[in-house]
Amino acid sequence: DAKTTQPNSMESNEEEPVHLPCNHSTISGTDYIHWYRQLPSQGPEYVIHGLTSNVNNRMASLAIAEDRKSSTLILHRATLRDAAVYYCILRNTPLVFGKGTRLSVIA
Amino acid sequence: DTGVSQDPRHKITKRGQNVTFRCDPISEHNRLYWYRQTLGQGPEFLTYFQNEAQLEKSRLLSDRFSAERPKGSFSTLEIQRTEQGDSAMYLCASSPPRRRGKLTDTQYFGPGTRLTVL
Repeated sequence: DAKTTQPNSMESNEEEPVHLPCNHSTISGTDYIHWYRQLPSQGPEYVIHGLTSNVNNRMASLAIAEDRKSSTLILHRATLRDAAVYYCILRNTPLVFGKGTRLSVIA
Repeated sequence: DTGVSQDPRHKITKRGQNVTFRCDPISEHNRLYWYRQTLGQGPEFLTYFQNEAQLEKSRLLSDRFSAERPKGSFSTLEIQRTEQGDSAMYLCASSPPRRRGKLTDTQYFGPGTRLTVL
């Protein structure tokens, strides 16, 4: 399975954009890039996924590098409710989670 | 609420006892997954079903663990002769049937069952 690398933790001020990076240099041509997040004391929840093109939804945007070896999850305006662990995942069935990035949002 | 539900939410048991957890997936979701999560780690896959068929089991799933999904709806995960190392959050997720040509799907997670083995 291709491996992902994410920073252990990041911090953001409320109302500011957040860019969460993920490296996946061994990604294969058919691997989708998925992002899930886990709020405190809850199960993970789906955020967004993409293959080659950048993607937007109501929660976030996903920017995928042209060579697909990295991607960035963008939260356009962080709120306190976005404080969570964010996971970048390649294998989908089943999901293979790493340790993710713990995002702290400061009021 | 039509999300994935799990029961019980918390379970405390003594070492050596058997425990059983239940997961009710979202209606009409044909795939059901079990994961385990320990403190500070991401969830780890245990097993998954497509309808009533168990398609994949992780090496983490020792012979003390058994999962069933008898009618392709709810699922149970049983742990026999629990050990302190079994203490974890057990998460269930479900996903809908894939549309033709779709190579990936979205999993919807329940709130989990927290198991503490004393």
